[in-house]
Amino acid sequence: GAVVSQHPSWVICKSGTSVKIECRSLDFQATTMFWYRQFPKQSLMLMATSNEGSKATYEQGVEKDKFLINHASLTLSTLTVTSAHPEDSSFYICSASSGTDPYEQYFGPGTRLTVT
Amino acid sequence: AQTVTQSQPEMSVQEAETVTLSCTYDTSENNYYLFWYKQPPSRQMILVIRQEAYKQQNATENRFSVNFQKAAKSFSLKISDSQLGDTAMYFCAFTFAYSGAGSYQLTFGKGTKLSVIP
Repeated sequence: GAVVSQHPSWVICKSGTSVKIECRSLDFQATTMFWYRQFPKQSLMLMATSNEGSKATYEQGVEKDKFLINHASLTLSTLTVTSAHPEDSSFYICSASSGTDPYEQYFGPGTRLTVT
Repeated sequence: AQTVTQSQPEMSVQEAETVTLSCTYDTSENNYYLFWYKQPPSRQMILVIRQEAYKQQNATENRFSVNFQKAAKSFSLKISDSQLGDTAMYFCAFTFAYSGAGSYQLTFGKGTKLSVIP
């Protein structure tokens, strides 16, 4: 149980375009979802936290207008990188926690974004 | 703000041997959770073990165990009978045990790259 999927696993886009990454909890209701960014050989950096039906809370330094997060249902959250630039190239990971055990996060397999 | 420190960037261990990864943290809170996550080359984050701060007993999961020293704010991970599949980045993480602003967020250490040598 407690499976989180991400789609796509790898995406290449041209500079200036937007790309959407989906995060789904497959077998539980995710009351809270988190989006992380991970640079090579580094730790995970929290970008934002979202609760179903509410606006996401962004960490300091994360551009809200560039990284749009929508948590429209208890099983789906999306991250849209708008007007992507090469410096947005990174590995993006989502995680989700349920209302029954909010302290444990289940992670998706990640999405590698390359902006050319 | 809480911080998590992993002082060993890289470690290696012979297959079947035991290795201990270190983690220290800093917080003024009394109630919290600590985790060890494993990130193999596939980059899928996998929960290895979890410890509630209010529990004095150290958590154990098969070959994985922790040494939780609350007063010293230390949370080390011991891997016994190391296997090739244990090769991965290991991250120590912390979260507060309360609901409210900033709750449930994980603070990660920088990680320890563990290599198991055949």
